[in-house]
Parts: sequence; structure tokens; C-alpha cells
Amino acid sequence: RKEVEQDPGPFNVPEGATVAFNCTYSNSASQSFFWYRQDCRKEPKLLMSVYSSGNEDGRFTAQLNRASQYISLLIRDSKLSDSATYLCVVTSGFQKLVFGTGTRLLVSP
Amino acid sequence: DAGVIQSPRHEVTEMGQEVTLRCKPISGHDYLFWYRQTMMRGLELLIYFNNNVPIDDSGMPEDRFSAKMPNASFSTLKIQPSEPRDSAVYFCASSDRAEKLFFGSGTQLSVL
Repeated sequence: RKEVEQDPGPFNVPEGATVAFNCTYSNSASQSFFWYRQDCRKEPKLLMSVYSSGNEDGRFTAQLNRASQYISLLIRDSKLSDSATYLCVVTSGFQKLVFGTGTRLLVSP
Repeated sequence: DAGVIQSPRHEVTEMGQEVTLRCKPISGHDYLFWYRQTMMRGLELLIYFNNNVPIDDSGMPEDRFSAKMPNASFSTLKIQPSEPRDSAVYFCASSDRAEKLFFGSGTQLSVL
């Protein structure tokens, strides 16, 4: 079983739609969780950290469910510029980040 | 700051040749990571350094791969001999606290 699993998508949504991605992780000892964004042929960049209490950054909301070992990302009012691959990331051991294979999002006009 | 700088951006080589990828981390960052990305396997951590010392190299696929960090501003990833299955995008990333990673633009490696 992969340490971090994501639905690869693609998720095709119209502009303005709300879309949610889930990610599951296998290591119950993982302490830190993140969402990274990767544009086509570019490097990954940190989108947001995920806190136990849930956190919001503008149109983006991240949630963590430790009991079920999953993380979610909600994007409201999707923009064309949100089209990208979203990578779920968890820590595995000391200072070691493990990336999921990513979920691809396509936002159309 | 210029960010993490990787070279070359693209490398095309023939099977059996030695390949050396280079990385200059962001000044002041204590951690340096080498990742490999393929469509099938996504981003895989190969090795990471803290204060120039290799901490975890369990992701290095085999002895053909080696990485060094002779000083705080330079690291190399070497593949010798290279094989077609090594074809991938190799990313270097640095961090000051190993959580928020700053990635370089990557090296697209093609081994023919």
C-alpha cells in the first residue's frame, strides 16, 4: 500500500464550481500535513499547511481527520488559474516529506 | 534570493554514460532534498541532507546513484552508469525547517 494515496483525476469542473479532493495516508505517526500545487512542467509549490482544527486561506479550506487518516482540500469559486495538480504531502519520520502522486484539476470556462 | 538553482535544465544521454545533476540551495537553508518524479510513481524522495550531512538515503534506488554535499551551497546527484529507466525529472529542494520546501525548476533527464 502506498504511504499517501490520492485520486489521480482529472477533475473537470466549470468556473465558479466548488471541488473537493481527498487524500489518505497510512502512517498513523505522521505529524505534519500539507497541500502542494504543481503546474504543468513546473516545480511543486506549497499551497497550504493542514492543521488538526482545519484551516482556511481565501477560497481554499483544508481539513484533517486523524482518526480516519485522511486529508481534504476544498476549493470554492474555482478559477481558470486553479487548473493544476494538487499534491497531498505528509511527514514520515523525522523531517521526511512523502508526496502523493497528485490529483489533477481542470477548470473550464 | 534567486531561489534553488538546478543545472542542467535538460540532459539527454546514452545508456551507460555518467550523469551529474547540480543544485545550489537557497542561502541559509539547512536542509537539502533530492526528489525524482515520474508519471507512474510521482515524486519520490531519494536522499536528504541536514547541514551538509546525509540523513536518509533509503530512497536511493541502487548503488548507481550517489549524492554529495561538499558545502552549504552546492550538491550533486550522480548516476553511473545511467539506464533508460532513470529517465525522469529530478528536483532539488531546500528548506530552513524541512516542512516548507522550495523546489528548483528540475532537470529533465532522458537516457536513450
